[in-house]
Amino acid sequence: KNQVEQSPQSLIILEGKNCTLQCNYTVSPFSNLRWYKQDTGRGPVSLTIMTFSENTKSNRRYTATLDADTKQSSLHITASQLSDSASYICVVSASGSSNTGKLIFGQGTTLQVKP
Amino acid sequence: DAGVTQSPTHLIKTRGQHVTLRCSPISGHKSVSWYQQVLGQGPQFIFQYYEKEERGRGNFPDRFSARQFPNYSSELNVNALLLGDSALYLCASSAIGATNEKLFFGSGTQLSVL
Repeated sequence: KNQVEQSPQSLIILEGKNCTLQCNYTVSPFSNLRWYKQDTGRGPVSLTIMTFSENTKSNRRYTATLDADTKQSSLHITASQLSDSASYICVVSASGSSNTGKLIFGQGTTLQVKP
Repeated sequence: DAGVTQSPTHLIKTRGQHVTLRCSPISGHKSVSWYQQVLGQGPQFIFQYYEKEERGRGNFPDRFSARQFPNYSSELNVNALLLGDSALYLCASSAIGATNEKLFFGSGTQLSVL
């Protein structure tokens, strides 16, 4: 069964600190892995997209890593800001005609950044 | 340039009723996907449309249907509403719906079924 699991479920950190969110997946055949940021009551916004051959991708203070062998990814947030408070969702896309357009979403990690 | 727009933003219905949700993709995008997000969970894939044809369908009952119009806008219809259909319904668009494309999400329609 195609699944995406994230940890921790929730996280509280102080402003200015770094944090790392984890994602494990069992999606096959694998196409790409994405990280999204979702503010409460809003749609998700894309942070990074990584394919099988990419193992690191950065977007401002966000750095995503991918280990396709162990089927794990992480999202590292550097020098956190209050505006980073949101849900971070790991999404894996499967390839193949039976999986066209189908994204498998994790349940998200809720991050709260406190002053 | 407008992003993905969805209407209405909020909706309250009672069990057994029917609902239609609407989505306008980013100008130039031909693919639209629909997702259901129950509170506290990640979104779940419902449908993908490209060039007015259904390209993919998730594990949802036949009460859920959708269509895409010549202008690439889309409607999601849900019949015989159940309490469990209460969720945030998200629409996403992309240029051609390829698996490696970036998806752009709307802000969603919050559906409450009483």
